[in-house]
Amino acid sequence: DIQMTQSPSSLSASIGDRVTITCRASQDITNHLAWYQQKPGEAPKSLIYDASDLQSGVPLRFSGSRSGTDFTLTISSLQPEDFATYYCQQHHAYPLTFGGGTKMEIK
Amino acid sequence: EVQLVESGGGLVQPGGSLRLSCAGSGFTFSDHYMDWVRQAPGKGLEWVGRIRDRANSYSTEYVASVKGRFTVSRDDSKNSLYLQMNNLKTEDTAVYYCAGRFCTGGSCYGGHFWGQGVLVTVSS
Repeated sequence: DIQMTQSPSSLSASIGDRVTITCRASQDITNHLAWYQQKPGEAPKSLIYDASDLQSGVPLRFSGSRSGTDFTLTISSLQPEDFATYYCQQHHAYPLTFGGGTKMEIK
Repeated sequence: EVQLVESGGGLVQPGGSLRLSCAGSGFTFSDHYMDWVRQAPGKGLEWVGRIRDRANSYSTEYVASVKGRFTVSRDDSKNSLYLQMNNLKTEDTAVYYCAGRFCTGGSCYGGHFWGQGVLVTVSS
């Protein structure tokens, strides 16, 4: 199985901060990676697909990038509604696997 | 509006069975690969299984921990996805989400969209 190592597991940040979350795949997954946002008691919401494509309706402050097997989700300027848990998921090979999540909290 | 609505959750004893349903609306259900993803209480997301579309013979994939116990199926005429869960274990306790992604010609486009989830509790 492909392991997705997500870091950090938690993050404290302030409104307006630029933040990055990283996922490293245990093997080549090309660009087959998605990022999701989940708020407490809610379903996950798609942010980024195919490593860097922004889901329709998602604010432009969210972006994704890839360097080899390392993937990054960047939020350019944190807004109050961005405090949530973020997950990466590879969809290159079965079983599809998620990173462990990054819980973002207000500093 | 694209919508997925799960139903069928509840409390079941270990060794029991349960069938979850997911009703889709606002999109062409038959053009989408459909997934089940679960989340144990206080834990992260775990992909459970997938069913492809008619063009791919409705083929399925599963995570090892549910293979042989869970079956994903779909009825495109009813815009519905199902998860038959047999021989349930306490570790299957989770919120189960259905999710869809548009796929055609062997390629997928856009991101997943998700239902609101349904709770399955396996306990004696």
